[in-house]
Amino acid sequence: AQTVTQSQPEMSVQEAETVTLSCTYDTSESNYYLFWYKQPPSRQMILVIRQEAYKQQNATENRFSVNFQKAAKSFSLKISDSQLGDTAMYFCAFISNAGKSTFGDGTTLTVKP
Amino acid sequence: GAVVSQHPSWVICKSGTSVKIECRSLDFQATTMFWYRQFPKQSLMLMATSNEGSKATYEQGVEKDKFLINHASLTLSTLTVTSAHPEDSSFYICSANPAGGTRATEAFFGQGTRLTVV
Repeated sequence: AQTVTQSQPEMSVQEAETVTLSCTYDTSESNYYLFWYKQPPSRQMILVIRQEAYKQQNATENRFSVNFQKAAKSFSLKISDSQLGDTAMYFCAFISNAGKSTFGDGTTLTVKP
Repeated sequence: GAVVSQHPSWVICKSGTSVKIECRSLDFQATTMFWYRQFPKQSLMLMATSNEGSKATYEQGVEKDKFLINHASLTLSTLTVTSAHPEDSSFYICSANPAGGTRATEAFFGQGTRLTVV
C-alpha cells in the first residue's frame, strides 16, 4: 500500500515571495507517478505539476517546480513569485502504474498581499 | 483536451431516497474511473475503482450496496447513493484516466458533486 504524507497543514507566504510545500511518500513500486494538485475554493482539482519516477530531472512548469528525491521518497513543490491566485489547498498525489491515486492530507496555502 | 464532466454539481435530497451522480469523459475514452469522497478541508478518500464492463472494486469500509457504481461505457460511470442519510452528505469527486498512451496514469477530475441529505 502507498502512503503520502504532507506535514504542513497550513502555510502562508507574502505575495511575490517563494514558498516550498513538502511531501513524502512510501511505496514498494519501482515505477510510479507523482503529482501536485491545487484545489481552490471552487473545489475543482487542478493539475499543477507531474513527475515520472523514472526521470531524474525535476519537473518545472513556469513558476512551479519540484525537488524530487527518489531515494528519500521526497517530492516537494516550490512556488516562486507567489500570486494571490495561488491561494488554495494543495495535494500531493502518488499514482501507481494501474492508475490508482493516493493523496496526502493537503496543505492550505494562503498568499498574503 | 481531457475534460471530465460531473453532473449534477450539487443536489439536495430527502433522507431515504437515492441519488445518481454521473461522470463523463468528454474527449477521451476511460477504461478506469475513480470515485472519491471529500469532507471539508480534508483529503480525497478513494471509495472505489470503476472498470468498464466489469464490477467495481471497492475500498475497505465502503459499502458496495450503499454506493452502487456502474461503468456502462468507456465514457460514462455513475455512482448511485442508495437510501441516502444525512451522514452521506459530502463532496463526491470522480476522476478518469485516458485509456493507453502517455497520459494513462494522469487523473483528470470532474467538478465534483456536493450532496446534501436532509
